[in-house]
Amino acid sequence: AQSVTQLDSQVPVFEEAPVELRCNYSSSVSVYLFWYVQYPNQGLQLLLKYLSGSTLVKGINGFEAEFNKSQTSFHLRKPSVHISDTAEYFCAVSSGNTPLVFGKGTRLSVIA
Amino acid sequence: SQTIHQWPATLVQPVGSPLSLECTVEGTSNPNLYWYRQAAGRGLQLLFYSVGIGQISSEVPQNLSASRPQDRQFILSSKKLLLSDSGFYLCAGTSVEGPYYEQYFGPGTRLTVT
Repeated sequence: AQSVTQLDSQVPVFEEAPVELRCNYSSSVSVYLFWYVQYPNQGLQLLLKYLSGSTLVKGINGFEAEFNKSQTSFHLRKPSVHISDTAEYFCAVSSGNTPLVFGKGTRLSVIA
Repeated sequence: SQTIHQWPATLVQPVGSPLSLECTVEGTSNPNLYWYRQAAGRGLQLLFYSVGIGQISSEVPQNLSASRPQDRQFILSSKKLLLSDSGFYLCAGTSVEGPYYEQYFGPGTRLTVT
């Protein structure tokens, strides 16, 4: 069975500072990895995805993530955050044609 | 591209009343469809998923049910709501045009059971 662990439930950070949201996964097969963002009272929006190839993946809004197979991690990073990045972030894993397995989410709060 | 529609956006229902939430998909055919629930301060819980008309898999036993009467329609129902059914309900689907396992989400329905 697959599982996802998001190590931080809340991450406060000052505006224009860098941020890293951590995600570790567990799977016995090859995986596809995703980061989604959820703004208050909205659905989830795909930020970026790793399917294969380059382990550094760039997404929307200046976010990027690095797939590390040996550490089973897929951490999300942004070099300089904005107030508008305040949201809930979800890491998810899939082995293919199966429902995504989501982590519990990390609430990013950007402080002015 | 695929678009997921959900309605209503918000709903307040008394305990014991029935429920019907609808999800429709635009821009793709034969998608896999999913219902998730998000309780306050918690992550996403997969409730049901469907790989085709009339095919429903239940992930969590509860007083909710799902149906897929048409290829691009997915309905979440209950005969009698409980207080614990309150939450944010999200419908999601996969696109057969892109990576089959990439899920797109609807805007959600906020359900409050009083």
